[in-house]
Amino acid sequence: GQQVMQIPQYQHVQEGEDFTTYCNSSTTLSNIQWYKQRPGGHPVFLIQLVKSGEVKKQKRLTFQFGEAKKNSSLHITATQTTDVGTYFCAVNSGNTPLVFGKGTRLSVIA
Amino acid sequence: EAGVTQSPTHLIKTRGQQATLRCSPISGHTSVYWYQQALGLGLQFLLWYDEGEERNRGNFPPRFSGRQFPNYSSELNVNALELEDSALYLCASSLGTGVGQETQYFGPGTRLLVL
Repeated sequence: GQQVMQIPQYQHVQEGEDFTTYCNSSTTLSNIQWYKQRPGGHPVFLIQLVKSGEVKKQKRLTFQFGEAKKNSSLHITATQTTDVGTYFCAVNSGNTPLVFGKGTRLSVIA
Repeated sequence: EAGVTQSPTHLIKTRGQQATLRCSPISGHTSVYWYQQALGLGLQFLLWYDEGEERNRGNFPPRFSGRQFPNYSSELNVNALELEDSALYLCASSLGTGVGQETQYFGPGTRLLVL
């Protein structure tokens, strides 16, 4: 079945530093979604990317879908302590439910 | 608008017992998904229901089962509980266009502890 690799597994940054997590698939994706889960919380939808090469921004967060629609990235500029949590990508490549990556756990040191 | 609700919030069982977890989707959503999230790990897909039918199933043994009721709420049953079933069980709902690709809205989860 569809699998997705998400790296890194963990990332510790100083407050104010940038952060990037990557999601990679061996097959072409129809779309990709990103979710954030705060410690002790549940995943919350952030964004969906559909088009090849698509770039979307939400304040300090920049989401990008690769030209080949096989990878995606989430970049946070100037991290803040409120950014702490685990970021998951979720993919599918047809009539299958979302497959979630293992997530990248972000820690921000004030 | 009320979000996805799950009950109970916490559940403690002993090995061999059965657990029943419940989920109510957002009003208007017909698809319900169940995930298992073991401590510190990612989301493992369990089951997907839409319009009362099981659409897809993850790689879990048959003792994990469920159903969706006419009002689209759902129940997850875990029989013959094992210690490794201890996890956060998350329910999510979506509009249900039939292909399971829509945005999923998650409930707060049920924390199951098997002793």
